[in-house]
Amino acid sequence: QKEVEQNSGPLSVPEGAIASLNCTYSDRGSQSFFWYRQYSGKSPELIMFIYSNGDKEDGRFTAQLNKASQYVSLLIRDSQPSDSATYLCAMSFGGGYNKLIFGAGTRLAVHP
Amino acid sequence: GAGVSQSPRYKVAKRGQDVALRCDPISGHVSLFWYQQALGQGPEFLTYFQNEAQLDKSGLPSDRFFAERPEGSVSTLKIQRTQKEDSAVYLCASSIQGLTLSGANVLTFGAGSRLTVL
Repeated sequence: QKEVEQNSGPLSVPEGAIASLNCTYSDRGSQSFFWYRQYSGKSPELIMFIYSNGDKEDGRFTAQLNKASQYVSLLIRDSQPSDSATYLCAMSFGGGYNKLIFGAGTRLAVHP
Repeated sequence: GAGVSQSPRYKVAKRGQDVALRCDPISGHVSLFWYQQALGQGPEFLTYFQNEAQLDKSGLPSDRFFAERPEGSVSTLKIQRTQKEDSAVYLCASSIQGLTLSGANVLTFGAGSRLTVL
């Protein structure tokens, strides 16, 4: 069982809708969680990270963390075609240098 | 530099050849990571450097893989006797932080080196 699980998708949403991306993890020692966006053929770029239970908002993006249930999600409000990409969930552990453990990613397609 | 620079961007090797992939991290960044990303998968950790010290090489898939960062800046990932299963994108990432207590180590990735082994 992979440590970070994501639905591979594609998740298809209409322009202007809310896209909801989910991620579950298996290690209760995980402390920080990251969402990266990766366009086809490009490198991952950080959207946001979260390490406290609850919600964290940044513009159109909201990350939600529930450590008791071991899931983290990313909501994208007012989805745009330019949001179409693969979204990678990653986790790291407290202390040390915190290497990231990635999920396989969810492909999001926003159609006009 | 302004970002993480990797070269070559594309490399085609015949099975059995040796390859060397270069990473030039952001100036002043202490941490440097190498990841391997197969098609349709997320990045998989290979190895980690803090300055010139290789602190973790637990993700290197075999002894054909070797990485170095001799002066604490540029790093090279070398793959000897390449096999078809080595075909992937090799991503380098750097972070200004070394050790961190919070776990929020923000990585900046390079564009990657796409290796195809025939």
